[in-house]
Amino acid sequence: GNSVTQMEGPVTLSEEAFLTINCTYTATGYPSLFWYVQYPGEGLQLLLKATKADDKGSNKGFEATYRKETTSFHLEKGSVQVSDSAVYFCALSAGGGADGLTFGKGTHLIIQP
Amino acid sequence: EAGVVQSPRYKIIEKKQPVAFWCNPISGHNTLYWYRQNLGQGPELLIRYENEEAVDDSQLPKDRFSAERLKGVDSTLKIQPAELGDSAVYLCASSPRVAGDSEQFFGPGTRLTVL
Repeated sequence: GNSVTQMEGPVTLSEEAFLTINCTYTATGYPSLFWYVQYPGEGLQLLLKATKADDKGSNKGFEATYRKETTSFHLEKGSVQVSDSAVYFCALSAGGGADGLTFGKGTHLIIQP
Repeated sequence: EAGVVQSPRYKIIEKKQPVAFWCNPISGHNTLYWYRQNLGQGPELLIRYENEEAVDDSQLPKDRFSAERLKGVDSTLKIQPAELGDSAVYLCASSPRVAGDSEQFFGPGTRLTVL
């Protein structure tokens, strides 16, 4: 079956540091890949997505590239801010997004001023 | 535009009691999902509706869980009887399309505590 593995948290960084959160997946076929974010006290929000190999999703300074050869979709940001503190979930969908999502366990990111 | 609405936001019940959760999706969204999120885990899909039809309920524990989406709009998820292990956050999401490239919009969730 489909599965997503992402790095354990919490991840604690200082403001303006470089961020990488690793995500690898197992799936049949060619899934679509997503990063969702959950800010404190709020619901899950789509951060970015990529629907085919070598696509790069980007939003709010975050980027992730769909790497089929390594089955990875690592999340990166060049300079994090305190407001980026949240829980980040990597997810996949076999059918482009309308199908149900398979999520990783989430990574809690803490940015210190 | 209003987002996905869920109620109640919190529910505390004793084991063996029934409980129901309600979801109102974004207007015009044809696809509706129920997920369960255990503490420290990612959400897991329970059931997916396309309009009023349940098209994927393979992960729904059918001995105690039931769901309905009458008229293809609002949806209710029920647990009867609840067990201690059902304590979790129940999330509803909706999507404007039934297939292909589409974003899912999540509600705030209902946090269930079973004592």
